[in-house]
Amino acid sequence: QSALIQPASVSGSPGQSITISCTGTSSDVGGFNYVSWFQQLPGKAPKLLIYEVNNRPSGVSSRFSGSKSGNTASLTISGLQADDEADFYCSSYTRTSTVLFGGGTKLTVL
Amino acid sequence: EVQLVESGGGLVQPGGSLRLSCAASGFTFNIYDMHWVRQAAGKGLEWVSGIGTAFETYSPDSVKGRFTISRENAKNSLYLQMNNLRVGDTAVYYCARAPAGSGFSIDYWGQGTLVTVSS
Repeated sequence: QSALIQPASVSGSPGQSITISCTGTSSDVGGFNYVSWFQQLPGKAPKLLIYEVNNRPSGVSSRFSGSKSGNTASLTISGLQADDEADFYCSSYTRTSTVLFGGGTKLTVL
Repeated sequence: EVQLVESGGGLVQPGGSLRLSCAASGFTFNIYDMHWVRQAAGKGLEWVSGIGTAFETYSPDSVKGRFTISRENAKNSLYLQMNNLRVGDTAVYYCARAPAGSGFSIDYWGQGTLVTVSS
């Protein structure tokens, strides 16, 4: 199975909002509400930001939000801050009981 | 506090074997699905294997027949037996947990252990 498709990079200025897309198929993103988003700082383990499409774990800022339309999920970061700069990954459960990750998106805060 | 601590990584020759371990603490281990995810240097995340609370196992075709995931609830431990290792298996291997019935939605990760396959 191929990885979910994410843009390689996105950028924005402090205070702005950005959106990262994650495109799959009806066998994964489109077929289940089990899409998660992770933030990975350099040299660190990933950290959960969003689970089940649009749920935030306790302790995660409300500036992070998730959504899904058809086979594409999205992560929106509002009020961009310098320390948001990181790599972001989406993941999805699949029809064959596996997990697919996106290729990752590098966020640059200008 | 949830803690996942991996160990067992190191340098191994192509065709060799390695067994990774993950010690879990701070939560009720036996009611969570557990997973291994790897990341090659400068690359993205790749799911390697998962095991459910009833010991059912799952893995992608890329490692089927070579990697075996197992768990020992009495020791709050997760394992990954890796055989016939290839250069392409070189990566940091993360242990991760997911609430049972959550569609493998990982919520906590360990810090990882580095596996290097090279002659």
